[in-house]
Amino acid sequence: AQSVTQLDSHVSVSEGTPVLLRCNYSSSYSPSLFWYVQHPNKGLQLLLKYTSAATLVKGINGFEAEFKKSETSFHLTKPSAHMSDAAEYFCVVSGPTGGGNKLTFGTGTQLKVEL
Amino acid sequence: EAGVAQSPRYKIIEKRQSVAFWCNPISGHATLYWYQQILGQGPKLLIQFQNNGVVDDSQLPKDRFSAERLKGVDSTLKIQPAKLEDSAVYLCASSPRLAETQYFGPGTRLLVL
Repeated sequence: AQSVTQLDSHVSVSEGTPVLLRCNYSSSYSPSLFWYVQHPNKGLQLLLKYTSAATLVKGINGFEAEFKKSETSFHLTKPSAHMSDAAEYFCVVSGPTGGGNKLTFGTGTQLKVEL
Repeated sequence: EAGVAQSPRYKIIEKRQSVAFWCNPISGHATLYWYQQILGQGPKLLIQFQNNGVVDDSQLPKDRFSAERLKGVDSTLKIQPAKLEDSAVYLCASSPRLAETQYFGPGTRLLVL
């Protein structure tokens, strides 16, 4: 079984300040973890992924995430928020299911960026 | 490289009507997925294809939902008859092979009245 918990449903930051979106995971396997972003009326876009290589993963648009096995966490960070970062962010864990592979999504964190 | 294409983008129907959604995956991607995203929730996997075979449909409500990928490329998802609770965004995704990164289309937003 696998699951993710996104600890904040809404996060609000000022432009130019750091962003932290928190995610904890649970998995019976060595997990693959992802962060996806969803802008209004647009499809999900992959920000970054962790697949058991380096624990600090760098993604697009200045985002990065650190895999911490001892804390079962995979928090997403960015040093300086931009207005264009306002969107919904999903933490996702991947694992086997039946004969295939399944992505399990968190409930999402809505990021608001204010001037 | 063209992304995952879906149509229509929006659909409004009345309950008990039928509806179909179409997906064209990224060229060469063997694996195709359909997800349902209800407002305020994360996407939930409905069905997964590897080429034209079903790999996992355990979350598909088979009494009203069906999906096919006859030639291993395009796929259609059908709901018949629709219920109010089927109002959601239906997302299609594809990946080169099983367990590889999934790329999502823009989705079809369905409203059932």
